[in-house]
Amino acid sequence: QKEVEQNSGPLSVPEGAIASLNCTYSDRGSQSFFWYRQYSGKSPELIMSIYSNGDKEDGRFTAQLNKASQYVSLLIRDSQPSDSATYLCAAIYNQGGKLIFGQGTELSVKP
Amino acid sequence: DAGVTQSPTHLIKTRGQQVTLRCSPKSGHDTVSWYQQALGQGPQFIFQYYEEEERQRGNFPDRFSGHQFPNYSSELNVNALLLGDSALYLCASSGTGAYGNTIYFGEGSWLTVV
Repeated sequence: QKEVEQNSGPLSVPEGAIASLNCTYSDRGSQSFFWYRQYSGKSPELIMSIYSNGDKEDGRFTAQLNKASQYVSLLIRDSQPSDSATYLCAAIYNQGGKLIFGQGTELSVKP
Repeated sequence: DAGVTQSPTHLIKTRGQQVTLRCSPKSGHDTVSWYQQALGQGPQFIFQYYEEEERQRGNFPDRFSGHQFPNYSSELNVNALLLGDSALYLCASSGTGAYGNTIYFGEGSWLTVV
């Protein structure tokens, strides 16, 4: 059974701080990893994808992947109230395959 | 360039009824997947269509069925609706080649079963 686990939320950080979201996965064969942001009542929006070990940066977002530890993380620098949402971690086992999601971590950024 | 479009956005059905949800993939994408997201949970994979065939299926009963048309659009049908089928139904599109594993979601269809 392929599983993706995320930190239970909610996670609360002050405005301007770094928010750290974590995710582990059970299947070592998983190839690709994604972070989606989902605002209440809306559909998931892709914000980062990562395929190789190491860091990948895009603006205020940094995704980190450690395949040996089966661990994926998302750092949000200079957090803003508009970042308040549920963040979903997802893994895909093979190209063209299905996404396996974690349960999501709710992030709250306080002004 | 239109993204993934879904219809209807909201609907209410009665237990035992049938529902059809529709999806048009992002331009250039040929693969459509459907997910069910219950409140407070991550999306769960229902099935995936490619070249008008069901390529993969998740742990959903046969009441859930689908179809893909030659223009890559897709339908999700749910028969004999149960209260537990109330959820956000998401369509995701992806492509082969240059599109790789990039997967985009539509705005979803909110289904309420009463």
